[in-house]
Amino acid sequence: EDQVTQSPEALRLQEGESSSLNCSYTVSGLRGLFWYRQDPGKGPEFLFTLYSAGEEKEKERLKATLTKKESFLHITAPKPEDSATYLCAVQIYGQNFVFGPGTRLSVLP
Amino acid sequence: NAGVTQTPKFQVLKTGQSMTLQCAQDMNHNSMYWYRQDPGMGLRLIYYSASEGTTDKGEVPNGYNVSRLNKREFSLRLESAAPSQTSVYFCASSALPLQGGTDTQYFGPGTRLTVL
Repeated sequence: EDQVTQSPEALRLQEGESSSLNCSYTVSGLRGLFWYRQDPGKGPEFLFTLYSAGEEKEKERLKATLTKKESFLHITAPKPEDSATYLCAVQIYGQNFVFGPGTRLSVLP
Repeated sequence: NAGVTQTPKFQVLKTGQSMTLQCAQDMNHNSMYWYRQDPGMGLRLIYYSASEGTTDKGEVPNGYNVSRLNKREFSLRLESAAPSQTSVYFCASSALPLQGGTDTQYFGPGTRLTVL
């Protein structure tokens, strides 16, 4: 069964304390992996798409990486405005997207 | 350019009542989707429309119907609401057909539905 898991479920960081979020997947054929940011009461906002193992994408304090089994979202020197839920989704060949449950990130000043 | 808009933002229904959730996009996208989001679970696809005039079932279609009114609008109808349909509903759109290539989905702000 195609599955996407994310860890940790919740993460609290001090401002400036770098860390990583994990997205692990077991799917029959990966077409692409997506990262979204979701603020409370709002819809998911697109961050990155990764297509193949070894690929990396960066945006401000965020960097996403992809291996054959998992993806990491690295957050460098986070700020309170980075607090949000981060969603991972995979698109599978011939099928729709499968979303993970998300990691809830809190960055304390 | 408003992106994806949804109405209403909030709704409370009694069991057995019906309602329609509206979604519109102004990005000239071909594909549109309806998801539900429940605590502790990922977004789950209810229905999608790869292009104007077509609709297909997603992972959790039971209890729902959809209409692709035109290229811009995609509505979701609950004919007889049940407490299990209490959720947050998101509409999304993308430029390419879902299975025609990897493409980014853009989401609306959501509708928070409570069924008593």
